[in-house]
Amino acid sequence: GQQVMQIPQYQHVQEGEDFTTYCNSSTTLSNIQWYKQRPGGHPVFLIQLVKSGEVKKQKRLTFQFGEAKKNSSLHITATQTTDVGTYFCAGAASYDKVIFGPGTSLSVIP
Amino acid sequence: NAGVTQTPKFQVLKTGQSMTLQCAQDMNHNSMYWYRQDPGMGLRLIYYSASEGTTDKGEVPNGYNVSRLNKREFSLRLESAAPSQTSVYFCASTPGWGNNEQFFGPGTRLTVL
Repeated sequence: GQQVMQIPQYQHVQEGEDFTTYCNSSTTLSNIQWYKQRPGGHPVFLIQLVKSGEVKKQKRLTFQFGEAKKNSSLHITATQTTDVGTYFCAGAASYDKVIFGPGTSLSVIP
Repeated sequence: NAGVTQTPKFQVLKTGQSMTLQCAQDMNHNSMYWYRQDPGMGLRLIYYSASEGTTDKGEVPNGYNVSRLNKREFSLRLESAAPSQTSVYFCASTPGWGNNEQFFGPGTRLTVL
């Protein structure tokens, strides 16, 4: 069955440093989403990527979808303490079956 | 709009007891999902419903049943709870038809003793 992996599992950065998390799917995806979850909360949608090679930016966050539509990345420039949380990718291979990756937990040291 | 609501917020069960987790959305979304999240782990798909009247198994369906009662409501039933089902359960909905932006409920924290 479809599997979605993410690396790293944990990342500790100094405030102001950059951060990147990588997502890989065992199957070609129709689309991929990214979510952020704060401790004790529920996942919150950040973005959806659909097209091969797509790149989208949201302020300090840059999202990429690979050419083969099997991998994706999230890059945060100049991290802030407000970026703390766990970042999940979620991929849909079949139309509506969405599988989440295990997440990358980001800690930001002030 | 309330978005996605879940009841109850907390529940403690004894092994072998049964219960139903309720989920409702008021966004006229087509697709609904049940996930479980164990401490320090990601979300694992239990069941999903791409549209009213259809349900499909996810990654970890064993020990669970679901009902898509109507377009708004999607319930998850544990027939005979086991300690391994201790988890946080999230319900989510999406517009569907290629738009997989998931809107999550606040979660149900279930402990099985």
